[in-house]
Amino acid sequence: DTGVSQDPRHKITKRGQNVTFRCDPISEHNRLYWYRQTLGQGPEFLTYFQNEAQLEKSRLLSDRFSAERPKGSFSTLEIQRTEQGDSAMYLCAGEWGSGNTIYFGEGSWLTVV
Amino acid sequence: KQEVTQIPAALSVPEGENLVLNCSFTDSAIYNLQWFRQDPGKGLTSLLLIQSSQREQTSGRLNASLDKSSGRSTLYIAASQPGDSATYLCAVTGGGNKLTFGTGTQLKVEL
Repeated sequence: DTGVSQDPRHKITKRGQNVTFRCDPISEHNRLYWYRQTLGQGPEFLTYFQNEAQLEKSRLLSDRFSAERPKGSFSTLEIQRTEQGDSAMYLCAGEWGSGNTIYFGEGSWLTVV
Repeated sequence: KQEVTQIPAALSVPEGENLVLNCSFTDSAIYNLQWFRQDPGKGLTSLLLIQSSQREQTSGRLNASLDKSSGRSTLYIAASQPGDSATYLCAVTGGGNKLTFGTGTQLKVEL
């Protein structure tokens, strides 16, 4: 158990609907990351936060995606107007400091039908 | 742009065998390299973290080496067990603090 929890674990949604994923890292994790993983591929970076500040966003993060980390604690990743290509596992990870071990949650599976 | 390659893509070995997984990266300007394990449908579990100034790290039956100048890392698993069956992912941290992953090696250890 890495201490990073994600909710929901699985989500099936119709194309065009909005979905939101939540990540709860442990309190010591000042850095929080979101990654996306499709079958047979390694995770791809989406965005990361240092405390409540969003410091970097990937070009993969289109304007339909938005992430927040209010008060530097939990984080949410919202996808608006979902498309079938958004189907993937969305992984959250926490880190204390920088350049240290990164702890991943169990992921949130999204299926867009 | 950093690219990470893992060879082989899949590996099947009998129980008890020692094995080596390979990882290569194109940009040697990295801060660290991590090896992760991923079970089907699950998140990633960190196995070993090697800082750029280090040459290797060991944890139990696992040993990871790093040759930063040649852009290579290996993960050595001693006396493999069926419980070691999983996908092993290598990832490097470069500028921007993000991890760049390889596509993984799917390992199956058979009885």
